[in-house]
Amino acid sequence: EAGVTQSPTHLIKTRGQQATLRCSPISGHTSVYWYQQALGLGLQFLLWYDEGEERNRGNFPPRFSGRQFPNYSSELNVNALELEDSALYLCASSLAWNTGELFFGEGSRLTVL
Amino acid sequence: ILNVEQSPQSLHVQEGDSTNFTCSFPSSNFYALHWYRWETAKSPEALFVMTLNGDEKKKGRISATLNTKEGYSYLYIKGSQPEDSATYLCAPHNAGNNRKLIWGLGTSLAVNP
Repeated sequence: EAGVTQSPTHLIKTRGQQATLRCSPISGHTSVYWYQQALGLGLQFLLWYDEGEERNRGNFPPRFSGRQFPNYSSELNVNALELEDSALYLCASSLAWNTGELFFGEGSRLTVL
Repeated sequence: ILNVEQSPQSLHVQEGDSTNFTCSFPSSNFYALHWYRWETAKSPEALFVMTLNGDEKKKGRISATLNTKEGYSYLYIKGSQPEDSATYLCAPHNAGNNRKLIWGLGTSLAVNP
């Protein structure tokens, strides 16, 4: 069974541009989570989607947004990129609230020049 | 939850040594604690999800205990092997926190052969 897949693996953008990152959850998982790991910091919660709806978001500005598609895959969009957006972006999926266990992808490394 | 602390920050041990790490977190309104293992260039992998005070979980040579009243969890590795080299992350979340895990910075373990 395929795990969580993310694309692209690496992305280089310049300040002010937009970046789109994609995530496909494990088959049957309805919840998708996005995390940011900037250099020297822990994983920071960005967004949680479940059944196509945004359920919760972390303390990030509105230029961080996303969506979840009917097949439960998800996109993370970052508008008006800033240098400090350079980070590893991890996507995770889960099956159910009771389990809680997250299954992570290998991440997308975004570099903003 | 405002502050999750993991100690030590890094650890170097010899193959065969047993070791343990600590995760400290505010105990109020506790719901669950997650432990993950993150090897370089791979995705974080769930080790344990713990919910009950006094709970103890085991997976092979790795075990964990949980004290929700005083707000700490210990992760133990018995007879460390080079393949145990990774960063070990803990993430508690509170009831009602709507799946927003708060991640520690991790303990980086290096096991020398």
